[in-house]
Amino acid sequence: QKEVEQDPGPLSVPEGAIVSLNCTYSNSAFQYFMWYRQYSRKGPELLMYTYSSGNKEDGRFTAQVDKSSKYISLFIRDSQPSDSATYLCAMSALGTGANNLFFGTGTRLTVIP
Amino acid sequence: NAGVTQTPKFQVLKTGQSMTLQCAQDMNHEYMSWYRQDPGMGLRLIHYSVGAGITDQGEVPNGYNVSRSTTEDFPLRLLSAAPSQTSVYFCASRQPTGSGANVLTFGAGSRLTVL
Repeated sequence: QKEVEQDPGPLSVPEGAIVSLNCTYSNSAFQYFMWYRQYSRKGPELLMYTYSSGNKEDGRFTAQVDKSSKYISLFIRDSQPSDSATYLCAMSALGTGANNLFFGTGTRLTVIP
Repeated sequence: NAGVTQTPKFQVLKTGQSMTLQCAQDMNHEYMSWYRQDPGMGLRLIHYSVGAGITDQGEVPNGYNVSRSTTEDFPLRLLSAAPSQTSVYFCASRQPTGSGANVLTFGAGSRLTVL
């Protein structure tokens, strides 16, 4: 079983829709949860970062962590064509070493004008 | 502030050839790493370094070498290229947080094709 599972999509939505992207994980020691956005032929860039459980909001983006279910989500409100990208979840545990970051495989999102 | 710079952006090799992918960062980050990204496999860690003179293997190190002589540079060497090494390679860096939070800054990637 992979440490982190992510539905690869692709996901196609009309402009203005609410988008929900999700990841599940198996390691209960994970405490740090990140979402990276990767445009085509570019490197991933950090979008959101949360610690432990709860919600974090940044403009149209909301990151949600449910540690009891080992499930994290990224919601995009009023989606725009510029949101079309691949979204990668990533997570790590506390003090477990420099290489202990686990990525999902990414979900490809297309927002249609 | 350039961040993480990778060269070349594109490269085509023949099986058995060797080459070096260059990575440089200007953020004075101690930690640097190399990932490869393949369809359906996500990002997989090849090698990483926690400071000059210190390197270690990641998940998929075979066929690759690294060295870290300066804080700024972390080159990745392919010793004898194989078609299985066709991939997109990303260099990434971060400051040590001491807390386990691994927030990386990535380069733009190097797209390698091995024929």
